[in-house]
Amino acid sequence: DAGITQSPRHKVTETGTPVTLRCHQTENHRYMYWYRQDPGHGLRLIHYSYGVKDTDKGEVSDGYSVSRSKTEDFLLTLESATSSQTSVYFCAISAEEDYTDTQYFGPGTRLTVL
Amino acid sequence: KQEVTQIPAALSVPEGENLVLNCSFTDSAIYNLQWFRQDPGKGLTSLLLIQSSQREQTSGRLNASLDKSSGRSTLYIAASQPGDSATYLCAVRPNSNYQLIWGAGTKLIIKP
Repeated sequence: DAGITQSPRHKVTETGTPVTLRCHQTENHRYMYWYRQDPGHGLRLIHYSYGVKDTDKGEVSDGYSVSRSKTEDFLLTLESATSSQTSVYFCAISAEEDYTDTQYFGPGTRLTVL
Repeated sequence: KQEVTQIPAALSVPEGENLVLNCSFTDSAIYNLQWFRQDPGKGLTSLLLIQSSQREQTSGRLNASLDKSSGRSTLYIAASQPGDSATYLCAVRPNSNYQLIWGAGTKLIIKP
């Protein structure tokens, strides 16, 4: 298994509070991704990073921000959590610059916003 | 806009049967297609990756095919076992960017 950890694994928070999720990798892979998974929607990309301090938006980036100050860490911040952001969040990493790579996933963080 | 569909959403079959899971996509301009497995409460594990120039890939009892012109991929599982019970997701990578576009998955239950 790829060395990917996510913290926390579960979190319950209240509407309007900021929340930060952490993804940590030990593989030194260049690319990192944040997805959310909701019933009936599959996975949707929130943000991704292609290097330290290099990030870009995905399909559902509104209400989220990311930071990557070190190769091994990719942080996802919900600036002011809403109930619609209740979801399971997955971090993924990939190694190659070309399109032949596959992505390796962390165990997920279940977030509930009350 | 690329859309990926997996039908059925759920499938239950007796142990030992061969089965086929389906994935369809609307835009044939893909770089590759991947099949993943997800166990309850866990992350996703890559099963097979098919490049756009390939027709199929095999790994053990799994065989994935790709027909770009018709926008379809199938995942064939031979001699199914209860341990194959999981949700299977397919994802396509467009030619134009790094983002994977995902289907919603097929939940497979293999009955002993």
